[in-house]
Amino acid sequence: NAGVTQTPKFQVLKTGQSMTLQCAQDMNHNSMYWYRQDPGMGLRLIYYSASEGTTDKGEVPNGYNVSRLNKREFSLRLESAAPSQTSVYFCASSEGGTGTYEQYFGPGTRLTVT
Amino acid sequence: AQSVAQPEDQVNVAEGNPLTVKCTYSVSGNPYLFWYVQYPNRGLQFLLKYITGDNLVKGSYGFEAEFNKSQTSFHLKKPSALVSDSALYFCAVRDMSGQNFVFGPGTRLSVLP
Repeated sequence: NAGVTQTPKFQVLKTGQSMTLQCAQDMNHNSMYWYRQDPGMGLRLIYYSASEGTTDKGEVPNGYNVSRLNKREFSLRLESAAPSQTSVYFCASSEGGTGTYEQYFGPGTRLTVT
Repeated sequence: AQSVAQPEDQVNVAEGNPLTVKCTYSVSGNPYLFWYVQYPNRGLQFLLKYITGDNLVKGSYGFEAEFNKSQTSFHLKKPSALVSDSALYFCAVRDMSGQNFVFGPGTRLSVLP
């Protein structure tokens, strides 16, 4: 099992450019999540998908969109990148349901917006 | 709304000594509590969780955590620290009615040889 995979690992964008971060999991998990990690702030939830076909906003959704393509894949799109979106982005998955299940994280994408 | 506090940015401990990384939480209803570890340039890895039952929870790599409902705390402990335990540790909470996890800001643990 590869677990949770993310592409790309690194990306540099200019302000105003767009890009999509890809995430896939092979654990047959129902729920998937996108977080950003900034120094001293822990992880902040951007969007999540409780199950295939549903998505919901998290704590910091502005400037982002998501697509739950199928049960395995959950992508995060930046339509017009801003320097404030410079961060490390993590995708995670869990079995979902009652909330007792832990999350499994991908290796992260380090994004710099200049 | 739920929240998590990790009052120490940094914890230093000598190898072989016991370690404690502190976490307090605020949540409506009964909490589901988690600890994760992050090594440099890696994603978070699950260590242990408290859902219900025994207040002392055992997890991976010899770590354990003690749930204290009256103090709303969930401190991570290990009897004897290893240099390889040096990493960033995150406490997280999820309440029964929500889909979201809320993470603390993280505590950097340095184990000195």
